[in-house]
Amino acid sequence: KQEVTQIPAALSVPEGENLVLNCSFTDSAIYNLQWFRQDPGKGLTSLLLIQSSQREQTSGRLNASLDKSSGRSTLYIAASQPGDSATYLCAVPYNQGGKLIFGQGTELSVKP
Amino acid sequence: KAGVTQTPRYLIKTRGQQVTLSCSPISGHRSVSWYQQTPGQGLQFLFEYFSETQRNKGNFPGRFSGRQFSNSRSEMNVSTLELGDSALYLCASSLRTGKTYEQYFGPGTRLTVT
Repeated sequence: KQEVTQIPAALSVPEGENLVLNCSFTDSAIYNLQWFRQDPGKGLTSLLLIQSSQREQTSGRLNASLDKSSGRSTLYIAASQPGDSATYLCAVPYNQGGKLIFGQGTELSVKP
Repeated sequence: KAGVTQTPRYLIKTRGQQVTLSCSPISGHRSVSWYQQTPGQGLQFLFEYFSETQRNKGNFPGRFSGRQFSNSRSEMNVSTLELGDSALYLCASSLRTGKTYEQYFGPGTRLTVT
């Protein structure tokens, strides 16, 4: 049974810091991994999707890595800003379809 | 392209009532998935519809049901509402690219059961 874990559950950093969010999954037979951002009470915004054949994916100040063999992904945020404050979720597909298994999320607070 | 839309955005119902939520996917997307999000349980998968057929189902009681229409719009219904059904209900649409279904989420429907 696939389980997804995110550490830490919450993180508070001063503006300008570089930070790493962690995601681990128990079954390495995944097609891809997706990172999302969620602002309070809102829907999810897709940040990055990494295919199983990729090691990294970058978008602006965000860089996501994937190590299938160890069951881990990291989301690196460079030069954090207060606007980055949100909950970050990672998810893997259950099978080749539209069912995602989510981690519990990391709540990030970036202080000015 | 317009994003995923969900209606209504907010809903207040009483225990025992039933409710229907609607989701319009991104144009061209044929897969629609539904999720329930609560503070205690996080995001939990309800079901997925693809080409009007339920393709995946989560571990929710039969009070939760859904359907998809020929234009890919989807509805979910919850009958005999319970207090524990209060949650943010999110739908996502996706388009297959190779073996990948990248999901795009709507803003959600906030359901409060009193």
